[in-house]
Amino acid sequence: DAGVTQSPTHLIKTRGQQVTLRCSPKSGHDTVSWYQQALGQGPQFIFQYYEEEERQRGNFPDRFSGHQFPNYSSELNVNALLLGDSALYLCASSLGGKGLPRETQYFGPGTRLLVL
Amino acid sequence: RKEVEQDPGPFNVPEGATVAFNCTYSNSASQSFFWYRQDCRKEPKLLMSVYSSGNEDGRFTAQLNRASQYISLLIRDSKLSDSATYLCVVRPSGGYQKVTFGIGTKLQVIP
Repeated sequence: DAGVTQSPTHLIKTRGQQVTLRCSPKSGHDTVSWYQQALGQGPQFIFQYYEEEERQRGNFPDRFSGHQFPNYSSELNVNALLLGDSALYLCASSLGGKGLPRETQYFGPGTRLLVL
Repeated sequence: RKEVEQDPGPFNVPEGATVAFNCTYSNSASQSFFWYRQDCRKEPKLLMSVYSSGNEDGRFTAQLNRASQYISLLIRDSKLSDSATYLCVVRPSGGYQKVTFGIGTKLQVIP
């Protein structure tokens, strides 16, 4: 049973560049959530995708956008990178019916982004 | 006030000791509560859900106090392998799965 996978594992970018991170959910899961975890902090919710639509969004600027594909995989895009975007980006998958949230989220290993 | 507050520690305890962490939350409408464990430079992994009646899984016991708006995690007979950061997670009612994480409490079990 394949767990949540993310790519790439590490990434180095410079300020102003754009980055795309990828996530494949756990087999059977249809919902993907993205989190940003800065060093020494807990994960911060960015947004969640279900049925190819952004269902909820945290307190992140529009520079952060995403997409979910018909196979439930997802991408996180960050434009105009800032030094403060350096963090571990975590993807979590779960099973979420309409109005019936399923509780357990399973996390992928994350992508470490360093912005220079 | 932060939505979810935890003492970041570190808590340094000897092997075999009992240690307890608390986590307070500000939204009284919060519905679901969890403890996740995160090893250094790894992803968070679900340790246990927290139910109103309290629940136990081996050496781990989780409790919820809705009146005082906190959850707790008790670890008995600490092992070296328990060394990790323990993240408190809260989800409000009505939200799909927008969860809020605490900063995490770091535990170091010492031989």
